[in-house]
Amino acid sequence: GIQVEQSPPDLILQEGANSTLRCNFSDSVNNLQWFHQNPWGQLINLFYIPSGTKQNGRLSATTVATERYSLLYISSSQTTDSGVYFCAVGGGGNKLTFGTGTQLKVEL
Amino acid sequence: GAGVSQSPRYKVAKRGQDVALRCDPISGHVSLFWYQQALGQGPEFLTYFQNEAQLDKSGLPSDRFFAERPEGSVSTLKIQRTQQEDSAVYLCASSLGTGGGYTFGSGTRLTVV
Repeated sequence: GIQVEQSPPDLILQEGANSTLRCNFSDSVNNLQWFHQNPWGQLINLFYIPSGTKQNGRLSATTVATERYSLLYISSSQTTDSGVYFCAVGGGGNKLTFGTGTQLKVEL
Repeated sequence: GAGVSQSPRYKVAKRGQDVALRCDPISGHVSLFWYQQALGQGPEFLTYFQNEAQLDKSGLPSDRFFAERPEGSVSTLKIQRTQQEDSAVYLCASSLGTGGGYTFGSGTRLTVV
């Protein structure tokens, strides 16, 4: 099956800082989504982005499908951005394979 | 409804007990997925429905796990003769079609004692 690697595994930021999270995958995909899992366990869909670039407020994402990676940018981070960020990919079937996540902590 | 609703939120089961976990997807969403999330890990796929048809059950860990969606809306994940290794958060997600973003429910945390 598809392998999904995320980096860095852990990240600590001061409020207001910017960050880039990376997702590498091992095969071609037709589905790629970024999720934020908050400290209460709720998974929130951030982007559906199998290719191209999207922006939503302070967040943006870029997927370069031909090179098998995706990036999630967080600008002007806030404490509410804390949690785990997951990249999940699908290669043709209907299931998503999740990476191991990036644990983000934003401090005052 | 406005979101994906799962119940119960927490379930404690004695080893060997049967449990049933419910998922109420967003109205009109054709696709429904069940995932299992162990502590500290990403969710892992269990099964997928398109309307009432279960099109992929390749992730179900054993024949003790069974899922259904008889009318193409509400789904139930049943685990028979629960074992300690079944302890996890069970997440349900739905999407409008076969592509597009998923909306996850809050999950059911199952603890088998």
